[in-house]
Amino acid sequence: GAGVSQSPRYKVAKRGQDVALRCDPISGHVSLFWYQQALGQGPEFLTYFQNEAQLDKSGLPSDRFFAERPEGSVSTLKIQRTQQEDSAVYLCASSFDGYGYTFGSGTRLTVV
Amino acid sequence: DQQVKQNSPSLSVQEGRISILNCDYTNSMFDYFLWYKKYPAEGPTFLISISSIKDKNEDGRFTVFLNKSAKHLSLHIVPSQPGDSAVYFCAAFSSGAGSYQLTFGKGTKLSVIP
Repeated sequence: GAGVSQSPRYKVAKRGQDVALRCDPISGHVSLFWYQQALGQGPEFLTYFQNEAQLDKSGLPSDRFFAERPEGSVSTLKIQRTQQEDSAVYLCASSFDGYGYTFGSGTRLTVV
Repeated sequence: DQQVKQNSPSLSVQEGRISILNCDYTNSMFDYFLWYKKYPAEGPTFLISISSIKDKNEDGRFTVFLNKSAKHLSLHIVPSQPGDSAVYFCAAFSSGAGSYQLTFGKGTKLSVIP
């Protein structure tokens, strides 16, 4: 597609539930990034892939967060046993050269 | 510890006048800076960037100025238009870090009044 596609756009989860957020990057984009944006804050880095290799996961807040990109294209961010503090917009971005990010519209996760 | 700071949460400007959005950073390893614009319910879109080897970069109505000694950058929009009303994020990264990880400020909401 022409842009970065994220699904679902909105997700409501009960506390303790597992969720999976999907990102379809722009075709041919080698780099893929996940960011978390809490209300009133700027996006915060979670993790970075180059093709299928996860090169940096230093921003993942706990071991409940897991990301994968098995074939170097679509990526999934999984959050296990969701907590209220996980409520945020999760943004995916892709780039060809690492510098020029294109962001998706995000998935708004609300944990109740 | 916020490494990128946007100290003005909001700014209102009359249409046709200049908008100046400010950003300060503390990490001296940052050597590439970007501005993103964000409309509600959309992801941030890239606006303009500047490398630390420059002190100014211009693209149409948008100009970014970098003062390395003060660790300060600013985005000038002139003339401002109602369609410029959005949240503007300053972001920075260190090319030596190897991961292209961006550090964002909290954003400034710009309102351009017709």
